Amino acid sequence: AIQLTQSPSSLSASVGDRVTITCRASQGINSALAWYQQKPGKSPKLLIYDASTLESGVPSRFSGSGSGTDFTLTISSLQPEDFATYYCQQFDSYLLTFGGGTKVEIK
Amino acid sequence: QVQLVQSGAEVKKPGASVRVSCKASGSTFTSYYMHWMRQAPGQGPEWMGIINPSGDGTHSAQKFQGRVTMTRDTSTSTVYMDLSSLRSEDTAVYYCARDRGGRIVDYWGQGTLVTVSS
Repeated sequence: AIQLTQSPSSLSASVGDRVTITCRASQGINSALAWYQQKPGKSPKLLIYDASTLESGVPSRFSGSGSGTDFTLTISSLQPEDFATYYCQQFDSYLLTFGGGTKVEIK
Repeated sequence: QVQLVQSGAEVKKPGASVRVSCKASGSTFTSYYMHWMRQAPGQGPEWMGIINPSGDGTHSAQKFQGRVTMTRDTSTSTVYMDLSSLRSEDTAVYYCARDRGGRIVDYWGQGTLVTVSS
């Protein structure tokens, strides 16, 4: 099964910072990658799908890029409501796989 | 507005079974595949399986095969997940989620905490 490795596992940043999170797949997955945001006690929220398509209603400060095995989620200017854990997710036939998560904390 | 409302928290003993329900509203229920995921404390989500729109086809992750059963009732727009032979490692929050198409999971239920403890 395809595995996803996220880095870093956690980071500290300040409001206004540019934040980049990476996700590496164990084999090529074209652009079949999504990104989610999860806050404590809440369900994951879809941010990006097909590696770079912004979900409706998601602020434009979020962007995704990459294809094949290497992907990136970027938050251009971190806002207070963005402190959360972020997960990448891929699908391979019927099987979905999630990365281990990146926790974004306040510096 | 799509909503997925799940059943309440459960406490089960090892070896028992649990059923989690997920009622959909705000969309054409019979048009979508539905996933089940779970999330253990401090861990990322883990995919468990998927059920097709008509309810006559399912596919589950290998680690759950033989223990998980997914069904759906189109008359009530509800999907169900049964997990048997529970063990302490099954303690987690269980989620249903809608597949928009192309394996894009766009709406999630609020989660159901299942605690397995003797």
